[in-house]
Amino acid sequence: EVQLVESGGGLVQPGGSLRLSCAASGFTFSSYSMNWVRQAPGKGLEWVSYISTGSGNIYYTDSVKGRFTISRDNARNSLYLQMNSLRAEDTAVYYCARRSGHDYWGQGTLVTVSS
Amino acid sequence: DIQMTQSPSSLSASVGDRVTITCRASQGISNDVAWFQQKPGKAPKSLIYAASSLQSGVPSKFSGSGSGTDFTLTISSLQPEDSATYYCQQYNSSPYTFGQGTKLETK
Repeated sequence: EVQLVESGGGLVQPGGSLRLSCAASGFTFSSYSMNWVRQAPGKGLEWVSYISTGSGNIYYTDSVKGRFTISRDNARNSLYLQMNSLRAEDTAVYYCARRSGHDYWGQGTLVTVSS
Repeated sequence: DIQMTQSPSSLSASVGDRVTITCRASQGISNDVAWFQQKPGKAPKSLIYAASSLQSGVPSKFSGSGSGTDFTLTISSLQPEDSATYYCQQYNSSPYTFGQGTKLETK
């Protein structure tokens, strides 16, 4: 069974940093590209970032470029999102999702940026 | 960036009805479209990928069609458990944009 489990969310002050993790199981992680998607409270879905299987192709939405870094460790079956210089508008539930078509999603982790 | 214009934004239909949700892309995207269902407090669930391919385990009452710029999600024989918000997404080119969502209520 495919499982994606996010962790690392929490309350952080504006300008602070957080590192999200996504632990994958039930499939060959190294064979699939991965994504981060977020959803602000009461809002729609917003794609955040993509990483290819070997980390050779990485993309970001404009609003996080230069602040967020996506990475993966295929040996540990894990996906990461390093988030720096956090802003109030980054407050959201963050989901990891498998492959370009987003066929499987984790349950999400809540990031709250507030003083 | 490719914009995905989804309509309607909300929809109310009766049990047993068939409903259609549409997404229009701002430029041609082949068939690189997915559809998702999201219920309150839950993660999105994949329904359709590659515009018309049904995700494993998803009932055949859900179907997708389209290519190029115009795409549709059709739900037949509507049931109360189909009440949810539905999103389209293009994954043809970065940023992989979502539609604004359609909130479906089943009467």
